[in-house]
Amino acid sequence: SQQGEEDPQALSIQEGENATMNCSYKTSINNLQWYRQNSGRGLVHLILIRSNEREKHSGRLRVTLDTSKKSSSLLITASRAADTASYFCAPIKGGSEKLVFGKGTKLTVNP
Amino acid sequence: GAVVSQHPSWVICKSGTSVKIECRSLDFQATTMFWYRQFPKQSLMLMATSNEGSKATYEQGVEKDKFLINHASLTLSTLTVTSAHPEDSSFYICSARDWRRGPEGNTIYFGEGSWLTVV
Repeated sequence: SQQGEEDPQALSIQEGENATMNCSYKTSINNLQWYRQNSGRGLVHLILIRSNEREKHSGRLRVTLDTSKKSSSLLITASRAADTASYFCAPIKGGSEKLVFGKGTKLTVNP
Repeated sequence: GAVVSQHPSWVICKSGTSVKIECRSLDFQATTMFWYRQFPKQSLMLMATSNEGSKATYEQGVEKDKFLINHASLTLSTLTVTSAHPEDSSFYICSARDWRRGPEGNTIYFGEGSWLTVV
């Protein structure tokens, strides 16, 4: 198993601005998943991007994947105060690999 | 909507007693489930991987006899904290892998978590 390393560890923006967070990993993957965790709650699955995909959209979310650089980015457009949460990436090699997490990016969207 | 249900959401128990937390996959069969523990302002720490019909695989440093995991069916895994002590107080989260084909295949879904307070 491997864990993704999110960057930055903390990000503070104003409502309406875009938020970009990055994820780096070390070995080849089958897919990469992004999650959001509100304080004191479980993780919510946001998006899964497969290794043969370069970009994927879901609502205000845009995820990119660069397998040559072993990195992914999550862009949240027109952020809202409700987007305040910690965001985690999970690179998955495949099979029955266990899911291990890094420290995440703590996003604060100020009203 | 939620596809993994965790129960209870919070529980308070007396020191020395045992408490069971359930994790259910609601609309898919999960041969593999994961249990995590999270301390305030820290990331999730993987405790064990729960496999249906076989023994769980524990991470280094996690006591097998302390944290009993049972994965008796394809939709249910349970974590029992035995002889709980105040230091076991934490947030416990489970997740389940959806093996179905299609866009959702290989997605891992998480429960809402369970707050355990041992007094």
